[in-house]
Amino acid sequence: DAKTTQPPSMDCAEGRAANLPCNHSTISGNEYVYWYRQIHSQGPQYIIHGLKNNETNEMASLIITEDRKSSTLILPHATLRDTAVYYCIVRVEAGAGSYQLTFGKGTKLSVIP
Amino acid sequence: EPEVTQTPSHQVTQMGQEVILRCVPISNHLYFYWYRQILGQKVEFLVSFYNNEISEKSEIFDDQFSVERPDGSNFTLKIRSTKLEDSAMYFCASSIESNYGYTFGSGTRLTVV
Repeated sequence: DAKTTQPPSMDCAEGRAANLPCNHSTISGNEYVYWYRQIHSQGPQYIIHGLKNNETNEMASLIITEDRKSSTLILPHATLRDTAVYYCIVRVEAGAGSYQLTFGKGTKLSVIP
Repeated sequence: EPEVTQTPSHQVTQMGQEVILRCVPISNHLYFYWYRQILGQKVEFLVSFYNNEISEKSEIFDDQFSVERPDGSNFTLKIRSTKLEDSAMYFCASSIESNYGYTFGSGTRLTVV
């Protein structure tokens, strides 16, 4: 699976949009981009995923560049409860033989009042 | 919202003892996983399970580990002879499809003394 690079930490003011970048310059055509977060020591929480197109759900938006070498997770109105470590994970389509998610160190997002 | 339930939340065991960690995945999910996180370290993949067999396992998942889905609702992880280095948070997860987001449980903290 392609390697991802994320900033180790970011701050965001409460109520503002949080834009979390991820670089995955070696991504290949059948690899998905997944975002998860982990609040304190709880289990990771799925946020969103995409292949080529931008995606939006009730939690966030995922913007993938046209060349697919980077993506941005957008939390439109960050709250204190969004303080967490955010993981960007690239994984080959599971039918190609791999089911595992490889978690890196992620970005620690601190939402500040 | 459906949840993945893990029991116990905390287990302390003596080195060399067998432990069984239990998970109840979401009822209509077909894919099941175990991950672990040693304190202060990354979340690591252990094993994935589909159609009553292991579909993928990591190097961590050696002969001391086994998984079972004994009754169609529970999914268990057994460690035959625990070592000090098995002390970690163990997370169970499930997904309805292999490319969908996973739902993680809140974890079992295993302490080997």
